[in-house]
Amino acid sequence: DQQVKQNSPSLSVQEGRISILNCDYTNSMFDYFLWYKKYPAEGPTFLISISSIKDKNEDGRFTVFLNKSAKHLSLHIVPSQPGDSAVYFCAANSGGSNYKLTFGKGTLLTVNP
Amino acid sequence: EPEVTQTPSHQVTQMGQEVILRCVPISNHLYFYWYRQILGQKVEFLVSFYNNEISEKSEIFDDQFSVERPDGSNFTLKIRSTKLEDSAMYFCASRNRGTGYTFGSGTRLTVV
Repeated sequence: DQQVKQNSPSLSVQEGRISILNCDYTNSMFDYFLWYKKYPAEGPTFLISISSIKDKNEDGRFTVFLNKSAKHLSLHIVPSQPGDSAVYFCAANSGGSNYKLTFGKGTLLTVNP
Repeated sequence: EPEVTQTPSHQVTQMGQEVILRCVPISNHLYFYWYRQILGQKVEFLVSFYNNEISEKSEIFDDQFSVERPDGSNFTLKIRSTKLEDSAMYFCASRNRGTGYTFGSGTRLTVV
C-alpha cells in the first residue's frame, strides 16, 4: 500500500544545475507535505514543507510545488551543490494531533562537481 | 541545537531474544515516535506516544512491541522476541505542539 510514491530511486545532476525530485500520492486526505533529507548514518532532517492550501513554497535554494489535482509534488533545488548529495524522502500527513507521517521510499540524489 | 539521541547505534541480537532500543528525546518535547526502515524500503510509522500513553500504533506494532517512558527523559522501544524480519533501522523522533519532527540518528538492529 504505497500511499506516497517516489518513482525514481536515484538522480544524478551536475553541480550548478537544477535538481528536480518528484513525489506522487494517492490518499486525498493528505493535507500537509514535507521533504526530508538523509545522510548515511544520520536520521532524516526536515528540509521544507507545504500545506495543501498552497501550490508553492520557497526557502532559499529549495522550492516545493504542489499540484493537488494531479496528486503530485516536486522539490526543486537550484543551484545544486555537492553537499546536497543525500537521500530525499517525501512525506505526507493527514492532520490530527498525532501528526503521523507517511513516507515514500526516497530518491538518492548525487550532485557531481 | 537540541538533538534526539539514540543508543546503541548498532545492535546485533539472536532470533527470539528481547531487545530494548533507547532514545532520549528533546527535553521539552511532548510527542514521541518510533519509525523503522527495512533496508531498501520506505520509512514506516510504528507508534506515537503522548501524555504517557500510546496515541496511535500501526499494524506492524503487534504484541511483540512495547514502548515506555520510564523516567521522564528516556523513551524505549522493546521487542520481546525478535524475528529475522525485525532487522531494520529504527528511528526515534520527538516534537512539540506546532513544531516538526526531530529525528535521532537511528539504531540499526540486526537479528541473526
